[in-house]
Amino acid sequence: DTAVSQTPKYLVTQMGNDKSIKCEQNLGHDTMYWYKQDSKKFLKIMFSYNNKELIINETVPNRFSPKSPDKAHLNLHINSLELGDSAVYFCASSQELDSYEAFFGQGTRLTVV
Amino acid sequence: AQSVTQPDIHITVSEGASLELRCNYSYGATPYLFWYVQSPGQGLQLLLKYFSGDTLVQGIKGFEAEFKRSQSSFNLRKPSVHWSDAAEYFCAVDTNNNAGNMLTFGGGTRLMVKP
Repeated sequence: DTAVSQTPKYLVTQMGNDKSIKCEQNLGHDTMYWYKQDSKKFLKIMFSYNNKELIINETVPNRFSPKSPDKAHLNLHINSLELGDSAVYFCASSQELDSYEAFFGQGTRLTVV
Repeated sequence: AQSVTQPDIHITVSEGASLELRCNYSYGATPYLFWYVQSPGQGLQLLLKYFSGDTLVQGIKGFEAEFKRSQSSFNLRKPSVHWSDAAEYFCAVDTNNNAGNMLTFGGGTRLMVKP
């Protein structure tokens, strides 16, 4: 019973396309995140949502648009994909007023060709 | 601004040897500190965390870490490494930027284990 699940696990697409990555957590957490891991394994936060409200937006291009239909889901839509968007995208969730421990999904490896 | 530094990009140890992975942080307030492990093609799994109290914290898989405020360090240790410990290890600090909590990660240390 996966706690944080992302789909798809792998995504290969051409430049200029629009794609979405979905994330769901069944932990009952209030906060969800998107992190990006680049080719050098460096991890950096992109967005966080608390109870469907955008809390953190870390200087991410407007082509990236997160959407949270409910507090258990946080999707990431990317418009006009560029080569530099190739990375592994991780979804995570945490309970803010609890332990602050973030639980991560298995990641989505996006390759833009 | 907060930052986390892992000075060692790669470390190779022999199976059965002891291990120490270094982590230094820069953060004005009392930090919440974490170590995560990432196996190839996998997500991040929490090894251990420090919030307050005893500065030596125990984690899963036989790992421990010691918080040293005077050195701004949170080094990860294991007395005897197993081949299955080969992975990427990330130190992170939870910071609150007045909008919400987020993890700031170090650059990672790749651990290789020799038979």
